[in-house]
Amino acid sequence: GAGVSQTPSNKVTEKGKYVELRCDPISGHTALYWYRQSLGQGPEFLIYFQGTGAADDSGLPNDRFFAVRPEGSVSTLKIQRTERGDSAVYLCASKGQGPSPLHFGNGTRLTVT
Amino acid sequence: AQKVTQAQTEISVVEKEDVTLDCVYETRDTTYYLFWYKQPPSGELVFLIRRNSFDEQNEISGRYSWNFQKSTSSFNFTITASQVVDSAVYFCALYTGANSKLTFGKGITLSVRP
Repeated sequence: GAGVSQTPSNKVTEKGKYVELRCDPISGHTALYWYRQSLGQGPEFLIYFQGTGAADDSGLPNDRFFAVRPEGSVSTLKIQRTERGDSAVYLCASKGQGPSPLHFGNGTRLTVT
Repeated sequence: AQKVTQAQTEISVVEKEDVTLDCVYETRDTTYYLFWYKQPPSGELVFLIRRNSFDEQNEISGRYSWNFQKSTSSFNFTITASQVVDSAVYFCALYTGANSKLTFGKGITLSVRP
């Protein structure tokens, strides 16, 4: 079946602009995660949804970052007033029940100029 | 707090050599799961193996094997007879039910030369 889909694959934006990154999880997966990966680093947790609600948003770096999952499927990560330090690959993952493996998308590479 | 340490940063081997990737973890939870993921140059994170904290039996799956030792909080991963296609960044990760999130190490870059 289809895996986790993320769009766009690449996004270049100017400092101060607003961006939205989209994630379409594997059908039937109730848990959805957003991670951020900087060059040479491991993925860092941002936020986790169980269904429509954010179960844990402790990884969001500041209030410029926000994510939604209104119908319990597709999720959008929103970044306001982007800064150059926001440049990274943003990864989305979904999983089934329990401690099953996270399945990752190919990520969105965000570049803030 | 959870933590995963991958002390090795880069490893280079010649094809057909065996290579072991080290991973040390920290958690206060008694129930947890350990994972290895592979990230090839294409960028996608690919799940390789999972182990739970109650099962220290070490296994072999094809060219992959792992050594899980709770006494030393280690979860090492071995690739036997390495191939050029094994070149990638390998991440060890820890999951606990207490917070339902996967914590990654910084990764090990493996280069397999022909």
